[in-house]
Amino acid sequence: DTGVSQDPRHKITKRGQNVTFRCDPISEHNRLYWYRQTLGQGPEFLTYFQNEAQLEKSRLLSDRFSAERPKGSFSTLEIQRTEQGDSAMYLCASSKRTGSSYEQYFGPGTRLTVT
Amino acid sequence: DAKTTQPPSMDCAEGRAANLPCNHSTISGNEYVYWYRQIHSQGPQYIIHGLKNNETNEMASLIITEDRKSSTLILPHATLRDTAVYYCIVRGYGQNFVFGPGTRLSVLP
Repeated sequence: DTGVSQDPRHKITKRGQNVTFRCDPISEHNRLYWYRQTLGQGPEFLTYFQNEAQLEKSRLLSDRFSAERPKGSFSTLEIQRTEQGDSAMYLCASSKRTGSSYEQYFGPGTRLTVT
Repeated sequence: DAKTTQPPSMDCAEGRAANLPCNHSTISGNEYVYWYRQIHSQGPQYIIHGLKNNETNEMASLIITEDRKSSTLILPHATLRDTAVYYCIVRGYGQNFVFGPGTRLSVLP
């Protein structure tokens, strides 16, 4: 079990540029989640996939954000035309069903700074 | 909005038990209580979860009151590495995790 990995760990970009982040979940975990966390706040849910299907998207996920999980394994989160308000930590988590519950295991996050 | 209420901060002496409370008075019958913690600049780490019975694992114990309206996470012998923000989350099947601001635990030498 190598854990959830995310790449890159840090990204600095200029306002208006597009960025893409990658998440590799724990193998055999069929669910994958994306969260955003700003300073001093808890993580906020953005979207989740069960296998390759995107089943839910938060109102926080504006049209500039898109997420994919094409083969039900790794996932990408793209932000187009970045704004300074997009600066945050982007966290990925994965889970599988254990009984009636799903414990989520988080990656280290990608810290985005938009200048 | 988060369904839980936690104190914003707590201190604990190294080597002593840390008892972190959580109120979840509106919890419904099929909702679990989860605890996570987040050490500075890292992703949240799963600690423990429970439905109605007390639970224990290698990291902590979870005590849930009989009416399930509150719970306590116990770290039996806190170390400096346990300094973190601790999140208590109530979640039912099909629901998403909603994180509140959590409790910032400082373990003091």
